[in-house]
Amino acid sequence: GAVVSQHPSRVICKSGTSVKIECRSLDFQATTMFWYRQFPKQSLMLMATSNEGSKATYEQGVEKDKFLINHASLTLSTLTVTSAHPEDSSFYICSASGGEKLFFGSGTQLSVL
Amino acid sequence: GQNIDQPTEMTATEGAIVQINCTYQTSGFNGLFWYQQHAGEAPTFLSYNVLDGLEEKGRFSSFLSRSKGYSYLLLKELQMKDSASYLCAVIDSNYQLIWGAGTKLIIKP
Repeated sequence: GAVVSQHPSRVICKSGTSVKIECRSLDFQATTMFWYRQFPKQSLMLMATSNEGSKATYEQGVEKDKFLINHASLTLSTLTVTSAHPEDSSFYICSASGGEKLFFGSGTQLSVL
Repeated sequence: GQNIDQPTEMTATEGAIVQINCTYQTSGFNGLFWYQQHAGEAPTFLSYNVLDGLEEKGRFSSFLSRSKGYSYLLLKELQMKDSASYLCAVIDSNYQLIWGAGTKLIIKP
């Protein structure tokens, strides 16, 4: 069964609204979670590394005030896309570190109208 | 620089076997993943290799040789639903995930 649960799988929102995506590790504690974004026909791009109890580390070019990451517990990290615009439409995927292994969520398709 | 190479596209026949290769040059190695991605969907985890050798999971098997920087995904008894892109990805020493561009697999009847 799935070890990382990501919700919602699809979301459609109006421009200017905020969207929250949840990533949960179901049967292990994840001190580190990762958030990725995938543009059509391109590989996944790492956006940020989320560490439990501390601020996320963002990759170069990723706006931390736009993509808010919270990792308040060892089993939950959230990504909030604030004031979403059509250019934010994309696949967002999380992963959680469980020892040496990395487990991925099923992804969230965000469509901003 | 870091690089993942895999063929852009492959074609195979339903019921046959296909091997998709992946070679990598990365700063360190903490594991290699294979993912399946159907058009319009997020990637689905297929396999994870961190030690040399073959990992078998039903119709799909994945092989790793760390000394050669090489992996392959083997798909047996191909079905039409196996038509998808197959992505190879490596975790480097900084725990960064380096992705290949994917191999589009076309299955013909």
